[in-house]
Order: sequence, then C-alpha cells, then structure tokens
Amino acid sequence: AQSVTQLDSQVPVFEEAPVELRCNYSSSVSVYLFWYVQYPNQGLQLLLKYLSGSTLVKGINGFEAEFNKSQTSFHLRKPSVHISDTAEYFCAVSEGPASYGKLTFGQGTILTVHP
Amino acid sequence: EAGVTQSPTHLIKTRGQQATLRCSPISGHTSVYWYQQALGLGLQFLLWYDEGEERNRGNFPPRFSGRQFPNYSSELNVNALELEDSALYLCASSPRSDTQYFGPGTRLTVL
Repeated sequence: AQSVTQLDSQVPVFEEAPVELRCNYSSSVSVYLFWYVQYPNQGLQLLLKYLSGSTLVKGINGFEAEFNKSQTSFHLRKPSVHISDTAEYFCAVSEGPASYGKLTFGQGTILTVHP
Repeated sequence: EAGVTQSPTHLIKTRGQQATLRCSPISGHTSVYWYQQALGLGLQFLLWYDEGEERNRGNFPPRFSGRQFPNYSSELNVNALELEDSALYLCASSPRSDTQYFGPGTRLTVL
C-alpha cells in the first residue's frame, strides 16, 4: 500500500528566503507524484506533478520538485518566497491504474512567510 | 476553461439528517473523485466514479454514497449525519486516472 510522509508540519520562513518542503513516500510499484497547495478556505490547486521522464519538475508560481527514486523522496523547493506563498502544501502519490483512482496525501505542511 | 465546480459552498445540517453535495467536472473529464478533509484526519479518499459507475470507494460506511450522471456530474449523499461528518468535502475530476483537478469544496457542518 502507498503512503506519504511530510516531514515538517510547519515551516516558518522570511520573505525572499529559499524554502524546501520535504516529502517521502512508500510504494511497491512505480508512482505518480503531486504537490498541491491549499489557501485558507479554498480547494486544492495543483502546483506540479511527476508522471515520468525528467526527475526535475517545474511548476507554477516558481516552485520546482525533484523526484529521487533511490531515496523515495519528492521535495518541493522555491528559491525565493513571497508573502502570498503562505498556505498549506500537500504531497500526494498515486500508483497509476493500480490506485483505482485513489490519491494518498501526506498530512500537509503549513508554510508561513514572514515579512 | 471552467474548473471543477461544487455546490453548495456551505451546508448546515443537524444530526440524523441527509446531505446532498454536487459536483460538475471539467469539460471532457469522465472521472469524478470525492475526498473528505476533516480536522485532524487529513485528506481521505471517499469515492471514484468513471463513466457512470462506482469504481472504488475508501474506508467509509455505506451511508456515504453517490452517483454519476450521464453528463459526468456527480452527487455525494451522506445519510444519517453524525457530528464527525463535519468536514470540507472536495471533488476532483480527471480525463483518466492520472492528474486530479480539485474544486473549491463544500463545507458541511453537522450540529
């Protein structure tokens, strides 16, 4: 069975500083990996995804993530954060057709950007 | 292109009542997924509908049910509401089983 661990429940950072949100997964088969962002009282917005190919994936709003198969990780990074990046971030994994539609989410990381 | 839409935005019910939540997928998407986001429990997979059929369900009791209509929109029904059903219910759609795009959610409050 697939599972996802987000290693930090909260990450405080100052504006214009770099940030890394960590995500590890476990699965017995090939996976698809996703990062979603949730702003207060809103749904989930897709930031980026890894389905296959290049292990460095670029997403919206200047975010990128690197798939590391040997370390079963998919960490999210941004070189310089803005106040508007304050939100909760979710890492998710799917085993493709073997998931039967189910995305498994981590517990979320609350990113707070301070001025 | 219009995104996934959900209605109502907020729903307040009392224990024992029934709730009906609605979802319209992105045009061209045939799969609809439902998730529950309850405080302290994270995001939990509820149901997957594709081409009008229920394809998979998560670890929820049978009082959580739904359906998908010929136009691919979907309804989630929750019978015999309990206090712990209070949550944000998120609907997502995809053209097939890879990337899911989420709607804004319906906030269900059970009093």
